[in-house]
Amino acid sequence: EADIYQTPRYLVIGTGKKITLECSQTMGHDKMYWYQQDPGMELHLIHYSYGVNSTEKGDLSSESTVSRIRTEHFPLTLESARPSHTSQYLCASSDPSRGANTGELFFGEGSRLTVL
Amino acid sequence: KNQVEQSPQSLIILEGKNCTLQCNYTVSPFSNLRWYKQDTGRGPVSLTIMTFSENTKSNGRYTATLDADTKQSSLHITASQLSDSASYICVVSDRGSTLGRLYFGRGTQLTVWP
Repeated sequence: EADIYQTPRYLVIGTGKKITLECSQTMGHDKMYWYQQDPGMELHLIHYSYGVNSTEKGDLSSESTVSRIRTEHFPLTLESARPSHTSQYLCASSDPSRGANTGELFFGEGSRLTVL
Repeated sequence: KNQVEQSPQSLIILEGKNCTLQCNYTVSPFSNLRWYKQDTGRGPVSLTIMTFSENTKSNGRYTATLDADTKQSSLHITASQLSDSASYICVVSDRGSTLGRLYFGRGTQLTVWP
């Protein structure tokens, strides 16, 4: 069973607020990812990390930022939330020992963000 | 353009019946294809992985097939149960980079009625 955790599960905030979505995994995986998922749409990669002090932007442009100070922790921050940021955010990690091209993604349960 | 198309978009079946979900892709070069199950309000969980040389693979009541020539995959669910109600997502990986870029389908929403 995957050990990757996201908090909060649900968050409703007002426009302009700063928020941080937390993601932690206990599997020792070097690679971690943030995906954005809207109803009926495919997952879009917004950030990823190869390891500590490594962060890259994904395919979907996002105003959020991420950090990777510890292997197990990959938080996502929005400095000033807007209604267009309303979405489901999924954190994932993968095991590099299986090779980049075959590694299974282990997902957290997601953080559903609503910005009013 | 690399794409993954899934059909049907949604499906309703009665408990105990079988069903088949389809995934067509144009991703090239191809590395592997995974089927994920996503329960409502949860993250996706991998069901099975198909590599280029594999045609069929089973995981309990789930059987995946792959035709690399026609770039099609299917997921067959046998004797459906209420717990099979979920979104099933097809994910294709290319061999174009060390990261193994992933291409996601939009999923098929399966509902199993009692």
